[in-house]
Amino acid sequence: AQSVTQPDIHITVSEGASLELRCNYSYGATPYLFWYVQSPGQGLQLLLKYFSGDTLVQGIKGFEAEFKRSQSSFNLRKPSVHWSDAAEYFCAVGGSSNTGKLIFGQGTTLQVKP
Amino acid sequence: DTEVTQTPKHLVMGMTNKKSLKCEQHMGHRAMYWYKQKAKKPPELMFVYSYEKLSINESVPSRFSPECPNSSLLNLHLHALQPEDSALYLCASSQLTLQETQYFGPGTRLLVL
Repeated sequence: AQSVTQPDIHITVSEGASLELRCNYSYGATPYLFWYVQSPGQGLQLLLKYFSGDTLVQGIKGFEAEFKRSQSSFNLRKPSVHWSDAAEYFCAVGGSSNTGKLIFGQGTTLQVKP
Repeated sequence: DTEVTQTPKHLVMGMTNKKSLKCEQHMGHRAMYWYKQKAKKPPELMFVYSYEKLSINESVPSRFSPECPNSSLLNLHLHALQPEDSALYLCASSQLTLQETQYFGPGTRLLVL
């Protein structure tokens, strides 16, 4: 069965520091991978997605992610974090059947110290 | 434009009330979704509509009744809810169901008293 693991429940970084959020997936075929961000009480905003092609994907707000098939990972990175990046981050994989069902990780809460 | 709108933003209802949540998109998407999200948890899929037909019901209790009147609108009718149904209800849409990007609305915060 497909699954997504975000090993870090909570991460704190200083403003201006670099950031890496981890995501590992279990999937039988080429996965469709997404990162979403959610500010408190808000909906989910798509940061970036990987369907195929270049394994380094650029997204909005200065985020990027790298797909590594050998490690079953799709880690999210940002070189310099801003206070406004504090939010909940969800990694998700598209389901194998033609249903549109997304499998979400449990999320990582990012706190940014001034 | 990748906007999905949801109304109302907040809703408080008693266990005997009947209310409805509304979701709208004008991106020409043919798949629409309802999710339920509890605090500090990922969204849980409830229903999927594809071409205005219900394609997935994730064993949701019958007190939740979805409706898709047309390709732009999605409703969720609520009746006889329980306090544990209090949550953020998110609507999403995608061009088609097959591995497409889902775009989410801001959600309706529901409190059942």
